[in-house]
Amino acid sequence: EAGVAQSPRYKIIEKRQSVAFWCNPISGHATLYWYQQILGQGPKLLIQFQNNGVVDDSQLPKDRFSAERLKGVDSTLKIQPAKLEDSAVYLCASSLGGQEARGYTFGSGTRLTVV
Amino acid sequence: GESVGLHLPTLSVQEGDNSIINCAYSNSASDYFIWYKQESGKGPQFIIDIRSNMDKRQGQRVTVLLNKTVKHLSLQIAATQPGDSAVYFCAETGGYQKVTFGIGTKLQVIP
Repeated sequence: EAGVAQSPRYKIIEKRQSVAFWCNPISGHATLYWYQQILGQGPKLLIQFQNNGVVDDSQLPKDRFSAERLKGVDSTLKIQPAKLEDSAVYLCASSLGGQEARGYTFGSGTRLTVV
Repeated sequence: GESVGLHLPTLSVQEGDNSIINCAYSNSASDYFIWYKQESGKGPQFIIDIRSNMDKRQGQRVTVLLNKTVKHLSLQIAATQPGDSAVYFCAETGGYQKVTFGIGTKLQVIP
């Protein structure tokens, strides 16, 4: 079974620039999550999709972050404009939906550095 | 707000010894706990889970203990191997899907 694919693996941008991350979940997984993991900390949920609908975006900084999941498959997460504190690894995870957390599969993440 | 946290940020263990990683949680409503392993450059990987109606669960070389009285969770790794070197996170959820992660403990295995 192919895993969760994310791209790019690394990205360096200047503050106030824009950036986008892409995630392709495991085929058939209805639920998709974006997490932000700051160095030395645990991942923090940004947004959860069920198919192409948003289930939870309570911790998404909506003034600068946006995410979409068109057609209920791939997803993109965008930051505009970026701040220094956005430097982190952005992890995408997927699950079949209705599963407990043991059913999550994480991608390897995109490491963002804002300078 | 309520959170999940770890006591030790770094743990060094001799190869072959047993490792114990501890975690404290503060949300008394938590009813499901998970341990994840995260290797460098990779996403978290599920290791073992436990429900709040249990106090112990065993897997292959790993055991999770839950003490609800003091809101404490631990992960025991038997006969620690170099491949066990990673950051370990405890996490909790009060229900399906949304997971709250702790800070993490780095396990270093000394050959």
